[in-house]
Amino acid sequence: QKEVEQDPGPLSVPEGAIVSLNCTYSNSAFQYFMWYRQYSRKGPELLMYTYSSGNKEDGRFTAQVDKSSKYISLFIRDSQPSDSATYLCAMRNTGGFKTIFGAGTRLFVKA
Amino acid sequence: DADVTQTPRNRITKTGKRIMLECSQTKGHDRMYWYRQDPGLGLRLIYYSFDVKDINKGEISDGYSVSRQAQAKFSLSLESAIPNQTALYFCATSGLTSGDSTDTQYFGPGTRLTVL
Repeated sequence: QKEVEQDPGPLSVPEGAIVSLNCTYSNSAFQYFMWYRQYSRKGPELLMYTYSSGNKEDGRFTAQVDKSSKYISLFIRDSQPSDSATYLCAMRNTGGFKTIFGAGTRLFVKA
Repeated sequence: DADVTQTPRNRITKTGKRIMLECSQTKGHDRMYWYRQDPGLGLRLIYYSFDVKDINKGEISDGYSVSRQAQAKFSLSLESAIPNQTALYFCATSGLTSGDSTDTQYFGPGTRLTVL
């Protein structure tokens, strides 16, 4: 079993839709949770960063962590064609250097 | 200018050839990483270095070697390339001891390597 599971998609939605992207994990020691966005032929770039449980909002993006269920989510409101990319979840534990990445979910937002 | 650069961006080579991928950063970070990305497998860590004198193997280091020439430069070598090393390779940096308490990793644009 992988430490981090992420549905690869692809996920196709119309412009303006609310998008929900999710990851599950098995290591209860993870405390830092990240979402990266990767455009085609580019390197991943950090989108959201959350420590421990709870929600964090940044513009149209909301990151949610449920440590009791070992489940993290990224919500995108009012999705735009420019949001079309692969979204990778990532996590690591306190004091750990190694970040574990999900396989990524490919998202298409149609105009 | 980009903070993390990688050269070359694309490379096609033949089985058995020695290949070097280079990474440079201007972020002043002390930590550098090499990952490979394959469809469905995500990013897997090949090697990481916390400073010039500290180099460590990641989860898939077999067939690879690295050199940290300076704080800003980290090279990845494939001593004798094989077809299953065809992948997208990313360099990343982070700066826990440079003041970034989140130790966020910043990625280069990637090198697409094809081994025939």
